[in-house]
Amino acid sequence: EPEVTQTPSHQVTQMGQEVILRCVPISNHLYFYWYRQILGQKVEFLVSFYNNEISEKSEIFDDQFSVERPDGSNFTLKIRSTKLEDSAMYFCASSESQVSNQPQHFGDGTRLSIL
Amino acid sequence: ILNVEQSPQSLHVQEGDSTNFTCSFPSSNFYALHWYRWETAKSPEALFVMTLNGDEKKKGRISATLNTKEGYSYLYIKGSQPEDSATYLCAFTRTYKYIFGTGTRLKVLA
Repeated sequence: EPEVTQTPSHQVTQMGQEVILRCVPISNHLYFYWYRQILGQKVEFLVSFYNNEISEKSEIFDDQFSVERPDGSNFTLKIRSTKLEDSAMYFCASSESQVSNQPQHFGDGTRLSIL
Repeated sequence: ILNVEQSPQSLHVQEGDSTNFTCSFPSSNFYALHWYRWETAKSPEALFVMTLNGDEKKKGRISATLNTKEGYSYLYIKGSQPEDSATYLCAFTRTYKYIFGTGTRLKVLA
């Protein structure tokens, strides 16, 4: 069964450094998402992306964050200058359509640790 | 602010017991409610998408019901097995953005 894959599984970065989290969505999916989960808290929506544009972003997704689809397969989340509070699990998801009754398919996540 | 709550937060049951847990969500402008099963170190796995008031969905020993008028969904597991141990997440959508509950962590003891 096709999967969403994320790399790396764990990223350790010094505060203030840039970090790029990578995702390969399911190949025929057109809609892409990033979510994060801070330890002990709910999974939170960050951003959705379609047709090379951000469709919606949350208040968490400030100027320090950006997303890109640099080629036909990868979907990346960049944090420009990481802060301690960016430490979390980051999940990528993709879906065939944006009809609300279609499930999103999630990757295994990247654990980001900011020192 | 849209809030989705799940209860209980965690649950231990004996193998063979049946169990159920609740997801509460805003009842206005409802579009869909998703249930996911999430094992540690794996990706959340889609279980059900529920859209209509009164919906009942079933997958093996797991089933779910939906009440959009009062804003809740129940997930039932019949005859729990150790492999059912996982976190069960619900997500409410009005558009395509998921709003997740905190999850119910289920541990089935052999």
